[in-house]
Amino acid sequence: DAGITQSPRHKVTETGTPVTLRCHQTENHRYMYWYRQDPGHGLRLIHYSYGVKDTDKGEVSDGYSVSRSKTEDFLLTLESATSSQTSVYFCAISEGQLYGYTFGSGTRLTVV
Amino acid sequence: RKEVEQDPGPFNVPEGATVAFNCTYSNSASQSFFWYRQDCRKEPKLLMSVYSSGNEDGRFTAQLNRASQYISLLIRDSKLSDSATYLCVVNKNNFNKFYFGSGTKLNVKP
Repeated sequence: DAGITQSPRHKVTETGTPVTLRCHQTENHRYMYWYRQDPGHGLRLIHYSYGVKDTDKGEVSDGYSVSRSKTEDFLLTLESATSSQTSVYFCAISEGQLYGYTFGSGTRLTVV
Repeated sequence: RKEVEQDPGPFNVPEGATVAFNCTYSNSASQSFFWYRQDCRKEPKLLMSVYSSGNEDGRFTAQLNRASQYISLLIRDSKLSDSATYLCVVNKNNFNKFYFGSGTKLNVKP
């Protein structure tokens, strides 16, 4: 398997609390991404990174922030979790556009 | 209009059947195309890239039609294990950012 891991795998949190999801890679890929997947919407890009400290917003970035202080780690933070952020979150890595993505196993987040 | 559109299905086919999915994309400048497979409650996994001249990998054939802006996936001799959701993926212009279709669900029946 490609070296990409997400943690935690499952989390239940209360509305209004901050939550941080971690993505860790051992492939030294430049590009990293956070997606959420919801029924009826498919995979939607939250934020992505094209290098250390270089990040940009995706199509559903409101309520989320990211940080990438090392090549191998990409953190997604929900500043104040809401029920609408209940979802499955996938991290992905890529060497470049010709190679597509490799996904982590996902984090199932429930906000109650 | 969505960047990538797929028929959600489900496609219910018997074992051994041939089945084809299409996917349309809106950005004529897209350069990279892929098919991913996603099993229930699992992460998407790369099935195959789609090249301009078309390409084949065993029972799977992918085609690209730039003029009509669609890609296709043909599965021959369907197996029970092919049951999954198939996602069409297209990059945005020349960037390392990809758009996903919502997926086409395939059920292969005994």
